[in-house]
Amino acid sequence: DQQVKQNSPSLSVQEGRISILNCDYTNSMFDYFLWYKKYPAEGPTFLISISSIKDKNEDGRFTVFLNKSAKHLSLHIVPSQPGDSAVYFCAASYPIQGAQKLVFGQGTRLTINP
Amino acid sequence: GAVVSQHPSWVICKSGTSVKIECRSLDFQATTMFWYRQFPKQSLMLMATSNEGSKATYEQGVEKDKFLINHASLTLSTLTVTSAHPEDSSFYICSARGLGGQGTGELFFGEGSRLTVL
Repeated sequence: DQQVKQNSPSLSVQEGRISILNCDYTNSMFDYFLWYKKYPAEGPTFLISISSIKDKNEDGRFTVFLNKSAKHLSLHIVPSQPGDSAVYFCAASYPIQGAQKLVFGQGTRLTINP
Repeated sequence: GAVVSQHPSWVICKSGTSVKIECRSLDFQATTMFWYRQFPKQSLMLMATSNEGSKATYEQGVEKDKFLINHASLTLSTLTVTSAHPEDSSFYICSARGLGGQGTGELFFGEGSRLTVL
C-alpha cells in the first residue's frame, strides 16, 4: 500500500520558469510533510517542510502548499535553475511508539533545461 | 547545520563476507537513527529504526539477523550486512533526528553508502 505517491516520475522545465512537483497521500495520521532533493550517488538533502496545521510554507525560491481536504501537497520552485535538476522526494511523517517515521514517495526526476 | 556522516561511501565485497556501515551525527546528539535502502529508480525503503541503548525496530520483511543494527551511543549507529549476497547490493542511507529536533519529523541524512557484492 503506497501511502505517499508521486505520480509523475519525471518533469522537464525550462530555466527561469516555475517547476511544480506534486504529491498525494492517503493516511490522515500524517502530521508533517517534507520535501527532499537527491543527486545521484548522494543521500537526500532536506529542502522544506510543512506542518499539517498550515497550508503554505515559503523559503526563498521554494514554496510548499498543502491541501488537506484533497490530501495533496506540491512544491513550487520559482525561478527554476539548472542546479535544481535532481530527484525530488516528498515524505510524510507520523508519530508511532515515541518515534517519528517517514514514508517516502517514489520520487520525481526534475530536469531544468537551459 | 546538522551533519550526518556515513562511512564507507563505497564498498565492494565478496559474497559471504560481512560489511559494516557507520552512521555518525557530527554536531548533534541523535536519539533516533533510521536506516534506508534504495534500489535503482525506486523510493527509499525504511529498513529499521534505531534508538540509542535499545534494540532496533525492523520493518516488515527485513531480516534482523541479516541486517544487524547497533546504536551504541548518541552519535553512532552501525549497520552490518552479514553474509552478504549479490542481491544485497544497494544504496544504504542513514538519517538521524536530534534531541529536541529541528522541526517535528525532520531528519538529517547521511551521504549514503553504496554496497556492491560480487
